[in-house]
Amino acid sequence: GAVVSQHPSWVICKSGTSVKIECRSLDFQATTMFWYRQFPKQSLMLMATSNEGSKATYEQGVEKDKFLINHASLTLSTLTVTSAHPEDSSFYICSAILLFNEQFFGPGTRLTVL
Amino acid sequence: TQLLEQSPQFLSIQEGENLTVYCNSSSVFSSLQWYRQEPGEGPVLLVTVVTGGEVKKLKRLTFQFGDARKDSSLHITAAQPGDTGLYLCAGLPRTSGTYKYIFGTGTRLKVLA
Repeated sequence: GAVVSQHPSWVICKSGTSVKIECRSLDFQATTMFWYRQFPKQSLMLMATSNEGSKATYEQGVEKDKFLINHASLTLSTLTVTSAHPEDSSFYICSAILLFNEQFFGPGTRLTVL
Repeated sequence: TQLLEQSPQFLSIQEGENLTVYCNSSSVFSSLQWYRQEPGEGPVLLVTVVTGGEVKKLKRLTFQFGDARKDSSLHITAAQPGDTGLYLCAGLPRTSGTYKYIFGTGTRLKVLA
């Protein structure tokens, strides 16, 4: 299957700081990537759709000024959590779409805000 | 709101037993995927089904897409401890003009040795 990487795999930061998470498709180009958030023992919650070369589309209830998404190339999307607070602590996962609508996920990034 | 309900939510079984996980919706999907996720990792794609009534097998796992493409099932034969994990179904609504999949509520499986 296709490979999607995320960096960092985990990060701990102080409240009020900003954190950038990278999502890369390693062996294919992805015009569309997705960012999800997952709380412990729960399913995935879609946050936004990242489109290469255009603005991201956010799901209802997700603050676009809080979660900045940039999809500057066909292999890289970044999610920046601005002015992070403890309630932003979560497992963030990205995915990329390959042919035939198959979606491949990154390994996730665990964010802990102190 | 389109929902994908999975049942059961939790399942704890002994090694060697069989089990079936269901994924149900009132919406029609153009394709449906099953994933397995282990703690601290991203979901891993197991299978994609696109045709109503389609059955796919992956070793001890059998996946079926409902005839009306509104539901799906995952059957595991002779479960092993390595099958432990969170199983997620995800459907792409037929009316969707994007690749936005809707995820199911998840089934947490624990197989005891």
